Amino acid sequence: DAGVTQSPTHLIKTRGQQVTLRCSPKSGHDTVSWYQQALGQGPQFIFQYYEEEERQRGNFPDRFSGHQFPNYSSELNVNALLLGDSALYLCASSFQVPGANVLTFGAGSRLTVL
Amino acid sequence: GNSVTQMEGPVTLSEEAFLTINCTYTATGYPSLFWYVQYPGEGLQLLLKATKADDKGSNKGFEATYRKETTSFHLEKGSVQVSDSAVYFCALSDVGSEKLVFGKGTKLTVNP
Repeated sequence: DAGVTQSPTHLIKTRGQQVTLRCSPKSGHDTVSWYQQALGQGPQFIFQYYEEEERQRGNFPDRFSGHQFPNYSSELNVNALLLGDSALYLCASSFQVPGANVLTFGAGSRLTVL
Repeated sequence: GNSVTQMEGPVTLSEEAFLTINCTYTATGYPSLFWYVQYPGEGLQLLLKATKADDKGSNKGFEATYRKETTSFHLEKGSVQVSDSAVYFCALSDVGSEKLVFGKGTKLTVNP
């Protein structure tokens, strides 16, 4: 049973460019969350998608946007990249059971902005 | 807002030593508390959790007790192994929310 898969694994962009990261949730999961993990820091919540809608959002600017598709997969888009956007981007999936709070994380996409 | 403060590393131990990684939290209400582990090149894995005061979470020899009076959730293991080398994250979530707030992580290295 495949867990959460993310692509690409690594990528390098320059300031001002745009990037799209992709996530396929674990089989049977219907909710996807995205986290940003800067070097040496804990992950920070970006947003969560359920039923193709953004349900919750952390303190990230509008340059960060996302999408969830009918097959529950998701994309994270970041526009006008800044050097500070360099980080490991983690996708996590879950199944909507009230109070479950159990996320399955992917290995992440490492973004370097030059 | 909610926050998690955990003992900063790195922590280096010899095999079979006792491990404690301290974690304290600030939150309104009664959050759920978690420990996640991140092995090199892998995603975060849930190690253990506790959802109410005095609950003890345990897994793979690790344990942590939800202490509301001290707002703490310290991670312990009686005898660490080389394979326990990883980064450990303490985290919380509000009741009914899946949004996790993480600490900065503690890197553990266990030497043979």
